[in-house]
Amino acid sequence: DAKTTQPTSMDCAEGRAANLPCNHSTISGNEYVYWYRQIHSQGPQYIIHGLKNNETNEMASLIITEDRKSSTLILPHATLRDTAVYYCIVRVGGATNKLIFGTGTLLAVQP
Amino acid sequence: NAGVTQTPKFQVLKTGQSMTLQCAQDMNHEYMSWYRQDPGMGLRLIHYSVGAGITDQGEVPNGYNVSRSTTEDFPLRLLSAAPSQTSVYFCASSPGSGLAGTQYFGPGTRLLVL
Repeated sequence: DAKTTQPTSMDCAEGRAANLPCNHSTISGNEYVYWYRQIHSQGPQYIIHGLKNNETNEMASLIITEDRKSSTLILPHATLRDTAVYYCIVRVGGATNKLIFGTGTLLAVQP
Repeated sequence: NAGVTQTPKFQVLKTGQSMTLQCAQDMNHEYMSWYRQDPGMGLRLIHYSVGAGITDQGEVPNGYNVSRSTTEDFPLRLLSAAPSQTSVYFCASSPGSGLAGTQYFGPGTRLLVL
């Protein structure tokens, strides 16, 4: 699975959009981009994933560059409850079910 | 659905003791995994299972055993606890191969080995 690079930490004002970047320059054509988050002391929570196209769900939007070497997770209106560590993960699809977590980005939403 | 449940929530062990961390899911998911998380680090995969009767090693399998006799349960056994196994342990499950990257995590078991 390709490795990812994320900033260690970011701040965002409450109510503003939070844009979390992820670099995955060695991603292969069959690898998906997944985003998870972990709120303090809780288990990780799946947010969104994509292959090539941009994706949106009730939690967030995922923007993947055309060359697929980087992506951005967007939380459109961040709240204090969005303060968490956000993990960007790339993995192949299919039957083997391994998610390799890095150290992620600590997003601190400020009031 | 209760989702993924883990017991116990907290455990203190002495070096050399053995114990089993329990994990159960009621979503009929094929895939289950165990991770550990140490302070300041991301999650590391210990063992995983793609279905009943099938298990495989992850990144850090040493000192741990697993078995998968049913779809619902995936216990993690510490054979002889060591202080280096002090950690938070998370169990996860996910549905069939089309959604294999979408995992549902339990609340975790906090383990302290003295």
